Amino acid sequence: EAAVTQSPRNKVAVTGGKVTLSCNQTNNHNNMYWYRQDTGHGLRLIHYSYGAGSTEKGDIPDGYKASRPSQENFSLILELATPSQTSVYFCASGDAGGSSYEQYFGPGTRLTVL
Amino acid sequence: QQKVQQSPESLIVPEGGMASLNCTSSDRNVDYFWWYRQHSGKSPKMLMSIFSNGEKEEGRFTVHLNKASLHTSLHIRDSQPSDSALYLCAASKASSFSKLVFGQGTSLSVVP
Repeated sequence: EAAVTQSPRNKVAVTGGKVTLSCNQTNNHNNMYWYRQDTGHGLRLIHYSYGAGSTEKGDIPDGYKASRPSQENFSLILELATPSQTSVYFCASGDAGGSSYEQYFGPGTRLTVL
Repeated sequence: QQKVQQSPESLIVPEGGMASLNCTSSDRNVDYFWWYRQHSGKSPKMLMSIFSNGEKEEGRFTVHLNKASLHTSLHIRDSQPSDSALYLCAASKASSFSKLVFGQGTSLSVVP
């Protein structure tokens, strides 16, 4: 089964601080995604990537940066964390497409910004 | 911005009953739909996908798609307490197949 891991699993940060969330996948998938999940909003796409060196803005990119240094790793960076960024963050990976296309999600990171 | 709307927000069904969940896209360019299930405290996992008009059945789960109305529905027969979860509908366009837009979810509780 596809494997996506995230670190840290829980993080408490201070307002104005820098936060880096990391994601690793061992599926050799080209595509990787960062979502946040808040009650009443489902999953919202922040940034995504089609391969090493590429990043694309999702639907809610403001206040976030992303980095894809390799096929396996995709990071989400909050340069100046704010309380409104308190949320659960999920990383996912998926292959290029096709009738059996599926995104595989990591276990999530719970971020609290005080 | 493309929106995916799910209804109802929450649903309670008795064990052994039928659960029916709905999902509609506001974007006429949407072509593909997925259903994901997320148990409490866990990550979402894909349940089923449907890309063509009609019906698709996998065990106790049946998905319908009407492309003209951009509406999909998920039906769970003989519901079990283990089916209690958040059900997320997702949609994408042919121009950006792998970029999914998720709805807000339907919380299903199956009570004994």
